[in-house]
Amino acid sequence: GQNIDQPTEMTATEGAIVQINCTYQTSGFNGLFWYQQHAGEAPTFLSYNVLDGLEEKGRFSSFLSRSKGYSYLLLKELQMKDSASYLCAALDSNYQLIWGAGTKLIIKP
Amino acid sequence: GAVVSQHPSWVICKSGTSVKIECRSLDFQATTMFWYRQFPKQSLMLMATSNEGSKATYEQGVEKDKFLINHASLTLSTLTVTSAHPEDSSFYICSARSSERGDVETQYFGPGTRLLVL
Repeated sequence: GQNIDQPTEMTATEGAIVQINCTYQTSGFNGLFWYQQHAGEAPTFLSYNVLDGLEEKGRFSSFLSRSKGYSYLLLKELQMKDSASYLCAALDSNYQLIWGAGTKLIIKP
Repeated sequence: GAVVSQHPSWVICKSGTSVKIECRSLDFQATTMFWYRQFPKQSLMLMATSNEGSKATYEQGVEKDKFLINHASLTLSTLTVTSAHPEDSSFYICSARSSERGDVETQYFGPGTRLLVL
């Protein structure tokens, strides 16, 4: 079956760095997405990785290892507004998104 | 770029009535649009995939006669919840996948529609 695993909840301190991990098992693979979802709002696109390696975009970076079925989202210089759920989703061979349950990130002052 | 709008953002209706939700891609063409439902503190649940000009593909357990989807153009898809009941109360979110080169995989989400059925 197809499966996405990510931690349910994480807590970090304002100004610090946090890494949210995601492992995936899909039938075929066409890339890995990270979305941010604030409470009561729709998800917003953060990143897309299809090749191995690290993609940096400002304070956010996303890493992919296809051989390990593993990705992480790295958030630096955390701000209070980064408190949200972070959704990992893998694109399978049919170009369908397989969603993780999301990681709720709590930022403390 | 890649802006998706949804209308209405909030709807309250009586049990038994039908509700129509519109999803528009404002600055790109979307050959494929997706409809999701999300209950409080739960993950997104894909309801159906809608391709322009063809019938929608519904996920297992989603009643196609209850959730009518129309994708009449490359920028508009509609979801109609027919004979809504209180258990249909949820957050409905659409997303659109661009058909333009270089960005064919990413789904961009609308702001969502909160439906409350009394």
